[in-house]
This record gives sequence, C-alpha cells and structure tokens, in this order.
Amino acid sequence: DSGVTQTPKHLITATGQRVTLRCSPRSGDLSVYWYQQSLDQGLQFLIQYYNGEERAKGNILERFSAQQFPDLHSELNLSSLELGDSALYFCASSSGTSVTSSTDTQYFGPGTRLTVL
Amino acid sequence: GQQVMQIPQYQHVQEGEDFTTYCNSSTTLSNIQWYKQRPGGHPVFLIQLVKSGEVKKQKRLTFQFGEAKKNSSLHITATQTTDVGTYFCAGPMDSNYQLIWGAGTKLIIKP
Repeated sequence: DSGVTQTPKHLITATGQRVTLRCSPRSGDLSVYWYQQSLDQGLQFLIQYYNGEERAKGNILERFSAQQFPDLHSELNLSSLELGDSALYFCASSSGTSVTSSTDTQYFGPGTRLTVL
Repeated sequence: GQQVMQIPQYQHVQEGEDFTTYCNSSTTLSNIQWYKQRPGGHPVFLIQLVKSGEVKKQKRLTFQFGEAKKNSSLHITATQTTDVGTYFCAGPMDSNYQLIWGAGTKLIIKP
C-alpha cells in the first residue's frame, strides 16, 4: 500500500460525458502527478501540482483539467469524453522537496480505470 | 523531442533464466529511475541512479547507469514467478524536469 488513494476504482460512462477522478496523496506529500496509461502502454504524464499550484504540464488535452485543493487532494476532470480516453488514470505523489522534483520518488495510487462507451 | 526508449517490449523467459531490459535516452540524464508494475497493479519505485557508471544491486536485480548517463539497464538473475510484470525506466526532461517514461519491458515467465 503506497498511501496514495484514488476514487473511484472503476468508471464507465458514455461519449460526451464529463467525469471527475479524485486523488489523495500520501500524508505529508506536497506534489501530485496525474498519468494516463492506455492498454499495455507506457505512462503519459499529464500534469503536476505542488502545494496547490500547477508546476508542470505534459500531454494533457484541453478537454482535461485538474486542480489541487488546500488539503492537498487533487481532482482530474475529463470532459467531452471520447472512446480514446478509455484508459487507466494514475495519480502519484511525492514529497516535492527537491527543487526540480526530478529526483523525487513517486508513489502511485491504485488507479482509476475509465471506460468510455 | 527528448525521448527515452526501452527495449525489448516483451521478453519471454523460462523460470530460472536471466532477464535484461535496456533504456536509452536521446539526451544526458541527471538521474534515472526504475519502476515495476505487476499485472493489474500500479508502478512501484525500485531504485534511482544518479552517478555516471553507477551500479546498484538489490538481491537478484542489478541496475547500471552508463558512463555517459544516456543509458541504463536492469538485469535480473535467475528469474522467479514473482518477477513477472512490466519494468519501466524514467528520466527527467530537460524542459520541465518531469519524468519521461520508457514504454516498459514486459517480463513473461514461460510455464
């Protein structure tokens, strides 16, 4: 158990809909990362938040947005869903103590499996 | 753009055989991290290498970071069924320090 929690575990929805995925980081971790993993593929970095502020953006679509709240939990909002958005969405957290975060170990949650029909 | 390539994509081995996955970056990396993802699970951090030419061992796993800090390898000696999973390498991007991930090598143990 990494200490990172994600809800829900599974989500089935229809094209065009909007969903919200939730993540609670490990106690004390200030950084939250979101990743997308399509079937049998690698991890695509979407976005990072540090202590409530966006720190870095990766290949995140305009239809997707995220935020980190004062209690450090984070939400990833996916809208106008398409079939191709079906994937595993992982949240990870790290202490964020290194200036660049590049040496921080990331602790992953169990993921949310999104299926768009 | 900056890339991290990992080969092979899959490797089938008999239990007891050795396994190696290779990671190559298009640019010099300040560090490289290795993660393991079990089937149906999430990535779990294994190790981080920082120094040029560094070699680290964890029981049957040996990790190497190349002299030029552009490549790395993970070698597992005498694989066991518990080693099954996908092994990912990841290194920080120059532009925003975010980790860029290799595509992973899936280790499959043949019965």
